[in-house]
Amino acid sequence: DAGVIQSPRHEVTEMGQEVTLRCKPISGHDYLFWYRQTMMRGLELLIYFNNNVPIDDSGMPEDRFSAKMPNASFSTLKIQPSEPRDSAVYFCASSSGGSRGETEAFFGQGTRLTVV
Amino acid sequence: QQQVKQSPQSLIVQKGGIPIINCAYENTAFDYFPWYQQFPGKGPALLIAIRPDVSEKKEGRFTISFNKSAKQFSLHIMDSQPGDSATYFCAASIEETSGSRLTFGEGTQLTVNP
Repeated sequence: DAGVIQSPRHEVTEMGQEVTLRCKPISGHDYLFWYRQTMMRGLELLIYFNNNVPIDDSGMPEDRFSAKMPNASFSTLKIQPSEPRDSAVYFCASSSGGSRGETEAFFGQGTRLTVV
Repeated sequence: QQQVKQSPQSLIVQKGGIPIINCAYENTAFDYFPWYQQFPGKGPALLIAIRPDVSEKKEGRFTISFNKSAKQFSLHIMDSQPGDSATYFCAASIEETSGSRLTFGEGTQLTVNP
């Protein structure tokens, strides 16, 4: 398996524009996580899905952020409208579930978002 | 509050030294404590993990020490090498109810000088 695949790797956009980040989890994994990483706040969990259903979105900072998982092999994180303070590296991760020994989270390479 | 506190924020050692990174948690329901390693431009990757039924776990040059009563755990890197220079994150989760919904520490930037 190629691992968790995120696109794009880099995104530069103007304030007010819509941004969509994409993630393809590892096949067979039933958990998918979106994290945001900044120098100030470290790694923050934004939202996670189990079997394509959102379980906890309490980390989503504002209504400008939304995430979907239409099927087991694809998820999107959308920011609309984007603001400069959204600039960060966004990571997608997937894992195979809650059984002992099977909860390693595999991270993608991340999307570096810059909002100017 | 599900927080994990990590220290120090940064650490510089000489090659062969033994850097130690410490973490403390509050939620006694946590039952899985992994450490992740992150190189620049990459996503974090699992390094080693421990569960609270043991006090120590060793994998190669990496050792986790776990103190359940103190709610603390630490990472030791034996015979550190320049290639170990990276950011290290401790984390905690409740496995059975949330998969690997990880609560991360703030991260420690480790530099190992040649």
